[in-house]
Amino acid sequence: GENVEQHPSTLSVQEGDSAVIKCTYSDSASNYFPWYKQELGKRPQLIIDIRSNVGEKKDQRIAVTLNKTAKHFSLHITETQPEDSAVYFCAASSGGGSTLGRLYFGRGTQLTVWP
Amino acid sequence: GAVVSQHPSRVICKSGTSVKIECRSLDFQATTMFWYRQFPKKSLMLMATSNEGSKATYEQGVEKDKFLINHASLTLSTLTVTSAHPEDSSFYICSARTSGKGDTQYFGPGTRLTVL
Repeated sequence: GENVEQHPSTLSVQEGDSAVIKCTYSDSASNYFPWYKQELGKRPQLIIDIRSNVGEKKDQRIAVTLNKTAKHFSLHITETQPEDSAVYFCAASSGGGSTLGRLYFGRGTQLTVWP
Repeated sequence: GAVVSQHPSRVICKSGTSVKIECRSLDFQATTMFWYRQFPKKSLMLMATSNEGSKATYEQGVEKDKFLINHASLTLSTLTVTSAHPEDSSFYICSARTSGKGDTQYFGPGTRLTVL
């Protein structure tokens, strides 16, 4: 099955700096890559996703890049703010079919933004 | 759109009792629902996948007789933890997916289960 690795496990940045979280996946059939933000005790919230037919997607301060050849994708947060502090999870999915669209999650990155 | 609710948000029960957790998609039809368990400061661990009207598919190591899943309609799935023990204490989260929204999964707010 799919294996998703995520790095770093913790990341501390100063407010205003950029933060980058990287993930790799093993299954070349994976074609959907969402990123979730989870605050303590809350549900994971989808913040951005990318499909394998594009290499980059941006939404205001958040961007995701995908390199299918190298099987890695990254989350970029610019101009970080203290409210960006949370755990971020990357995930990969090969869509429907036999896996019914299940997501394979990375281990998460605890991002702390210091004011 | 794409709201998923979960009930209850917190439950405390005695060891040996059963607890039912409901997961509802409020504004879309969920062809597939997923149940996860999350330990403190850990990632989400998939327990089972359920399709409406069919039996759930459990992940390896998850006891199907202990964690009963019923996906009776396109908007409701339930997880029943039978004969709960303290080691079952955890944060349980469901998610819902519909073919109409691609592969996107929307998560419920989670249920904090504490077994005394």
